Amino acid sequence: KAGVTQTPRYLIKTRGQQVTLSCSPISGHRSVSWYQQTPGQGLQFLFEYFSETQRNKGNFPGRFSGRQFSNSRSEMNVSTLELGDSALYLCASSSQGATQYFGPGTRLLVL
Amino acid sequence: AQKVTQAQTEISVVEKEDVTLDCVYETRDTTYYLFWYKQPPSGELVFLIRRNSFDEQNEISGRYSWNFQKSTSSFNFTITASQVVDSAVYFCALSEAKGGTSYGKLTFGQGTILTVHP
Repeated sequence: KAGVTQTPRYLIKTRGQQVTLSCSPISGHRSVSWYQQTPGQGLQFLFEYFSETQRNKGNFPGRFSGRQFSNSRSEMNVSTLELGDSALYLCASSSQGATQYFGPGTRLLVL
Repeated sequence: AQKVTQAQTEISVVEKEDVTLDCVYETRDTTYYLFWYKQPPSGELVFLIRRNSFDEQNEISGRYSWNFQKSTSSFNFTITASQVVDSAVYFCALSEAKGGTSYGKLTFGQGTILTVHP
């Protein structure tokens, strides 16, 4: 099976812009979770989607949003980008109740 | 609230040495899962092992072994006969488990940087 894929792999944006990141889960996996990784805060949970519904949400401002499509692919959006949003954004997928498998991540740099 | 602590920030060993990575966790949940992930320089998190809270049996898988002790809330991970390719950041993580399922929210420790020298 193909692993979790994320696009784009690298992204450079400027403050105030918005960005959309995409994640395609492993075939058959219906749960998709998103994480932000920064040197200062480490790995932090953003949200989880299961069957197109947000099932869990972390402590991030409303500028961070996501959605899941009927084919389980997921997108996350960050509006009004801030310098502090520069991070590695990781997506993970799992079949219900199982281990999360991560994608390669999207490195976002906000200038 | 859940919390995971990895007290060791960095560990440096010489190839073939055994190395143990420490992990201590806090949770109010009675059922939960514990994980170890490895993050090489490429950035992708690689799953290594998983343990649920109601099974304290410790196992060995190849060069990896783990010691889960519920009484001390610890979940330590050992690499036997370390190799240069083991150099990476290792993360311990915790998730709640309701009804036997693991919801997709992992709480991670800060990570331990392991460097294995030839």
